[in-house]
Amino acid sequence: NAGVTQTPKFQVLKTGQSMTLQCAQDMNHEYMSWYRQDPGMGLRLIHYSVGAGITDQGEVPNGYNVSRSTTEDFPLRLLSAAPSQTSVYFCASSFRTGDYGYTFGSGTRLTVV
Amino acid sequence: EDQVTQSPEALRLQEGESSSLNCSYTVSGLRGLFWYRQDPGKGPEFLFTLYSAGEEKEKERLKATLTKKESFLHITAPKPEDSATYLCAVNSGYSTLTFGKGTMLLVSP
Repeated sequence: NAGVTQTPKFQVLKTGQSMTLQCAQDMNHEYMSWYRQDPGMGLRLIHYSVGAGITDQGEVPNGYNVSRSTTEDFPLRLLSAAPSQTSVYFCASSFRTGDYGYTFGSGTRLTVV
Repeated sequence: EDQVTQSPEALRLQEGESSSLNCSYTVSGLRGLFWYRQDPGKGPEFLFTLYSAGEEKEKERLKATLTKKESFLHITAPKPEDSATYLCAVNSGYSTLTFGKGTMLLVSP
């Protein structure tokens, strides 16, 4: 039981490049979400999913795309990277009720130059 | 719009010196208040969920309490290993969380 696995752990991109941050969970959680964490800003919701095939926008969705084709995977795509997207990205998952808390991955530290 | 405000931003304690962290919130319909611990370079680690005013939960030296407007995380006789950033969050919708900015706790031996 690995929990929530994020890859890669570190990434440097050039402005305008695209990439996909991977997130996988093996706990059969219905809900998955992506957050970014910036100094002085706290964790902010980018996109979330309540089940396979269902996604919705969070607080800061611009420049990001998601899809949920399986229960286990929830990749985050950066369409055309910008320096403002330099951040630490966390994926989280939970059961429908959230009673047992949200399990977070270890994060991806992204730098856009 | 849900809002979560944590205070203080940073707190330095001596080992054994008890204190409390505050989390004030405004939310349209509370479906859970969460406390997390985050160590440098790691993801948040779940500590507690509270659902209704008057509820309390404990784990080792930590006790979380909830009122209609705020939550407290009480730390009793802290140890250096309790040093971390403590995050508060509320759930008012589709199991997504609104976080505060956190309280950075440093416990000196």
